[in-house]
Amino acid sequence: AQSVTQPDIHITVSEGASLELRCNYSYGATPYLFWYVQSPGQGLQLLLKYFSGDTLVQGIKGFEAEFKRSQSSFNLRKPSVHWSDAAEYFCAVKGWAAGNKLTFGGGTRVLVKP
Amino acid sequence: NAGVTQTPKFRVLKTGQSMTLLCAQDMNHEYMYWYRQDPGMGLRLIHYSVGEGTTAKGEVPDGYNVSRLKKQNFLLGLESAAPSQTSVYFCASSGEDREVETQYFGPGTRLLVL
Repeated sequence: AQSVTQPDIHITVSEGASLELRCNYSYGATPYLFWYVQSPGQGLQLLLKYFSGDTLVQGIKGFEAEFKRSQSSFNLRKPSVHWSDAAEYFCAVKGWAAGNKLTFGGGTRVLVKP
Repeated sequence: NAGVTQTPKFRVLKTGQSMTLLCAQDMNHEYMYWYRQDPGMGLRLIHYSVGEGTTAKGEVPDGYNVSRLKKQNFLLGLESAAPSQTSVYFCASSGEDREVETQYFGPGTRLLVL
């Protein structure tokens, strides 16, 4: 069975500072990997996804993520956060076998200090 | 395009009452999903549908029923609500269940069961 762990429940970062959110997964092979963002009171929006190729993936809103097979990780980064980046971030995995569905991590809530 | 819409946005129920949550999408997507979101647990799949007239159980299906009579609509029913069903419910849709399909999410329905 696939699973996702986001070790950090909350992260506080100053505006303009860099941000890194951790994601570790468990799956028998390389799964498809996603990062979603949820702004307060909103649904989830896809930031980026990885399924093969270059292990550094660029997404929307200036985010990027790096897949590291040896560490079973898919960490999300942003060089300089903006106040509008305050939100909850979810890592998700999907096994490549037919019928597999998305499995989400517990989420990391990001607070941005002025 | 409105994307994915959910009705209602918020509802309060008493234990034992029933209700139906409506999800509608205008993207002609084959696949639709119902998730519940609880603090620290990310999103968990309740039921999903791979096409009109089909439904299948997800990770946490107990206490819920679904129907997909029309391609654009996916209904989630609670026959006898329980306090444990207090949650935020999200609907999502996607085009095809292959490779890295993107799921598009609705804004959510906040349900409180007293």
